[in-house]
Amino acid sequence: DQQVKQNSPSLSVQEGRISILNCDYTNSMFDYFLWYKKYPAEGPTFLISISSIKDKNEDGRFTVFLNKSAKHLSLHIVPSQPGDSAVYFCAASDQGAQKLVFGQGTRLTINP
Amino acid sequence: SQTIHQWPATLVQPVGSPLSLECTVEGTSNPNLYWYRQAAGRGLQLLFYSVGIGQISSEVPQNLSASRPQDRQFILSSKKLLLSDSGFYLCAWSKGTYGYTFGSGTRLTVV
Repeated sequence: DQQVKQNSPSLSVQEGRISILNCDYTNSMFDYFLWYKKYPAEGPTFLISISSIKDKNEDGRFTVFLNKSAKHLSLHIVPSQPGDSAVYFCAASDQGAQKLVFGQGTRLTINP
Repeated sequence: SQTIHQWPATLVQPVGSPLSLECTVEGTSNPNLYWYRQAAGRGLQLLFYSVGIGQISSEVPQNLSASRPQDRQFILSSKKLLLSDSGFYLCAWSKGTYGYTFGSGTRLTVV
């Protein structure tokens, strides 16, 4: 059972425009959500997170939105830059667990 | 500061051979440790996690095992590799659930 889903395996965006990556989850016990960025042959690196008590969190060009009623979160990157080309993983956890559940990842390509 | 070391970076092994991947963490004590695998075209699958020495939780039945002989050492092993064991293996650590830090990964190709 895939508790965290990223339904778009790939996304292509023009440089300077907005990139929107989506993630859906099924477990209503999840209370913390994270986005990780991964380059080929490297480990994922933390990008941004959001607690379930919030609906938005910003960090520079990156904003994560959480819609608890829809069990949906999204990552917005504005403006998109070539260095943003990578695979982005959505992850979720609940307070009682000791582990993160990851989505399948979305490959973002920023075109010049 | 905390660092995580994972080796080797790449590995090519024949089917039926044993496997040992090692991961060590520096600069922290009693971390939670994790082994993930990213198979070709797929997401990050949690294989094992450990909250303390000798404490291993397995997430999926498989051909692999894990051990934690020391507080900051996590080892992934197999007695006989299968073709399906090929993938990108990642070790990670955390304090609690939040803020995973991943190692640089091992690309395993079973031939």
